[in-house]
Amino acid sequence: GEDVEQSLFLSVREGDSSVINCTYTDSSSTYLYWYKQEPGAGLQLLTYIFSNMDMKQDQRLTVLLNKKDKHLSLRIADTQTGDSAIYFCAESSPSNTGKLIFGQGTTLQVKP
Amino acid sequence: EAGVAQSPRYKIIEKRQSVAFWCNPISGHATLYWYQQILGQGPKLLIQFQNNGVVDDSQLPKDRFSAERLKGVDSTLKIQPAKLEDSAVYLCASSLEDRPDTQYFGPGTRLTVL
Repeated sequence: GEDVEQSLFLSVREGDSSVINCTYTDSSSTYLYWYKQEPGAGLQLLTYIFSNMDMKQDQRLTVLLNKKDKHLSLRIADTQTGDSAIYFCAESSPSNTGKLIFGQGTTLQVKP
Repeated sequence: EAGVAQSPRYKIIEKRQSVAFWCNPISGHATLYWYQQILGQGPKLLIQFQNNGVVDDSQLPKDRFSAERLKGVDSTLKIQPAKLEDSAVYLCASSLEDRPDTQYFGPGTRLTVL
């Protein structure tokens, strides 16, 4: 079945690195995503990774994928107060790549 | 480029009433999605359209929810009658037909059912 799990809360100090973790169940997912949601706003796609990749880097963001353990992580370098938000991990359904299965979200709190 | 537009932004109704939400996707995006996001949870896909045809509505509670995209552009999602557990944010998203990996989300409609 399709299921995505995340830890609920992470607190870091400004300037530190943040690592948000996610586990998923369906090994045949094609894409894995990270979305950001700020209060009262819709979801913003941060980055995604193809299932045949191990790592993807995009400026301050690094995504690591461990297919064997079905584990996905998002590292934010030099975390800023503007990074405070809810971060959602999602996988695409193998039967329908447009259907996203989301985790419950990780609230990132950045303290000055 | 204009983003995905949704209205209204907020709606409060009593249980058993009806409500409708509207979505205007990004111009040229053939695929449109409606998600339900209950407080404290991630979004859940309700229905996916490709132009004016339904691709996936497996998680749409069809006894009370309906959606249409008659001309393949704008879409409406209706709940009739509403229940307390329908209180959620309803998000609309769109993507290019050949790029389901890149979905753009609207700001959502927050529904409160009393």
